[in-house]
Amino acid sequence: GAVVSQHPSRVICKSGTSVKIECRSLDFQATTMFWYRQFPKQSLMLMATSNEGSKATYEQGVEKDKFLINHASLTLSTLTVTSAHPEDSSFYICSARRAGTYEQYFGPGTRLTVT
Amino acid sequence: EDQVTQSPEALRLQEGESSSLNCSYTVSGLRGLFWYRQDPGKGPEFLFTLYSAGEEKEKERLKATLTKKESFLHITAPKPEDSATYLCAVQGDQGGSEKLVFGKGTKLTVNP
Repeated sequence: GAVVSQHPSRVICKSGTSVKIECRSLDFQATTMFWYRQFPKQSLMLMATSNEGSKATYEQGVEKDKFLINHASLTLSTLTVTSAHPEDSSFYICSARRAGTYEQYFGPGTRLTVT
Repeated sequence: EDQVTQSPEALRLQEGESSSLNCSYTVSGLRGLFWYRQDPGKGPEFLFTLYSAGEEKEKERLKATLTKKESFLHITAPKPEDSATYLCAVQGDQGGSEKLVFGKGTKLTVNP
């Protein structure tokens, strides 16, 4: 149990376009989902926390108008990178907290490349 | 501010050579300490949660222990497939945040 999926696994887009990444908890309900960014050979950096049905809480320095997060249901959260630029190229990983626990289960990640 | 320091940064072992990874932490009210394994290009895979000092958990060749200041991940008779980066993270109970604070990880390489 505790499987989290992400789609797509890889995406290449042109500068100025928007990209949507989906995160789903497949076999459990997740009242809270998290979005992380990871640069090469570095640890995970939390971008935002989203709770089902409410606005996301963004970490300091993360532009909420650029990284739009929607948590529409107990099993789905989406991250939209708007007007992407090459510096947004990174590995984006979501996680989901299983209801009733503190444990976070991570998705496989999405590699975004902006050309 | 919650902090996590992992050591060593990298560790090379021969197959069968047991060792331990360290995770030192400071946190205001520990909710949980978490160990993850991350393979290159993939998301972290959950291994263990430890909640209080003295707690131990085991899974195959891995055993995690916890004190009030640090956690150890003991690897017994490792195999090449245990090669990965091992991440430690803590969650505190201050401010209502569910944020995990991660260490930078220990990259483990097990040679056959």
